[in-house]
Amino acid sequence: DSGVTQTPKHLITATGQRVTLRCSPRSEDLSVYWYQQSLDQGLQFLIHYYNGEERAKGNILERFSAQQFPDLHSELNLSSLELGDSALYFCASSRDWNSYEQYFGPGTRLTVT
Amino acid sequence: GEDVEQSLFLSVREGDSSVINCTYTDSSSTYLYWYKQEPGAGLQLLTYIFSNMDMKQDQRLTVLLNKKDKHLSLRIADTQTGDSAIYFCAERRYGGATNKLIFGTGTLLAVQP
Repeated sequence: DSGVTQTPKHLITATGQRVTLRCSPRSEDLSVYWYQQSLDQGLQFLIHYYNGEERAKGNILERFSAQQFPDLHSELNLSSLELGDSALYFCASSRDWNSYEQYFGPGTRLTVT
Repeated sequence: GEDVEQSLFLSVREGDSSVINCTYTDSSSTYLYWYKQEPGAGLQLLTYIFSNMDMKQDQRLTVLLNKKDKHLSLRIADTQTGDSAIYFCAERRYGGATNKLIFGTGTLLAVQP
């Protein structure tokens, strides 16, 4: 158990809908990272937040957004969902913005039908 | 590009050694990692190596790094059925505002009893 929690574990929704995935980092970790794991794209970095501020963006679609709240939990919002958005979404956390260790949560499996 | 390459599949017999290979792209990567993903589970950080090292040993795991060829390998001694999983290598991209992991395609390790 890494100490990173993600909810929900599974999510099934229809195309065009909007969902919110939630992540709670390890205690005292200030950084949260989001990654997407899909069959065609593999595991790819989406976005990094540090202490409430966006730090870096990766291959994140404009339909997707994220935020980190004062209590350091983070939410990933996915809107206008398409079939291709079906994937496993991982959150990771680290102590600082430049920590070399990232600890991953169990993931949220999103299925878009 | 950002591709980190791994062979897709490796099959070994229980008790044998497994060697999983990875070729990464960024010669300036300071840390390289091995993560394990079991079915339906998240990503578990197995081990990592700093770029000024050639080898790191951690119990049954040995990591070898060849910086000249940008080649990383993970050797698992006395492989057990519980080692069956997908193994991802990852390189750390760090600089400016960026602190992200670039993952390989994953190698499915199947351990035959």
